[in-house]
Amino acid sequence: KQEVTQIPAALSVPEGENLVLNCSFTDSAIYNLQWFRQDPGKGLTSLLLIQSSQREQTSGRLNASLDKSSGRSTLYIAASQPGDSATYLCAVGTPGTYKYIFGTGTRLKVLA
Amino acid sequence: NAGVMQNPRHLVRRRGQEARLRCSPMKGHSHVYWYRQLPEEGLKFMVYLQKENIIDESGMPKERFSAEFPKEGPSILRIQQVVRGDSAAYFCASSPEGFNYGYTFGSGTRLTVV
Repeated sequence: KQEVTQIPAALSVPEGENLVLNCSFTDSAIYNLQWFRQDPGKGLTSLLLIQSSQREQTSGRLNASLDKSSGRSTLYIAASQPGDSATYLCAVGTPGTYKYIFGTGTRLKVLA
Repeated sequence: NAGVMQNPRHLVRRRGQEARLRCSPMKGHSHVYWYRQLPEEGLKFMVYLQKENIIDESGMPKERFSAEFPKEGPSILRIQQVVRGDSAAYFCASSPEGFNYGYTFGSGTRLTVV
């Protein structure tokens, strides 16, 4: 059974720092992996989608990597801004089911 | 393209009433998924539907919960005889045919049972 863990659970950094959010999964047989952002009381916004055959994806200041063999993905945020404050969720796509298994998220606060 | 539309955004029900949550997928998307987010918990899969078919309902509670995605109109998640423990945020996501493009989520319905 796939389990997804995100560390740390919460993170507070000063503006301008580069930071790394971690996502671990127990079963390396994944279809793809999606990173989302959730603002308080709001829905989920898709940030990056990495297929199982890919190693990384980039969008603006965001870069996500995938290492299936070690069961890890990282989300790198460059030059963090207060507007980046949100909860970041990692979701692992399960082959044959069209189902995503979510981690519990990392709550990020970027201080001005 | 309006995205995934969920309504209502907030819903208050008394214990024992019925709750109906609606989800219209993105244009061109034929797959709909419902997830529940309990306070301070992660998102949990409930059900996966295509038009007129329930594909996977392994995450649905056995009683009081049902879902449908009719040929015409939105997908409906129905909760009968609500209890306080049903209070949560319910999110709908959609995707096109296949799994290659990931999910697009709606803004959710926040159900409060009083």
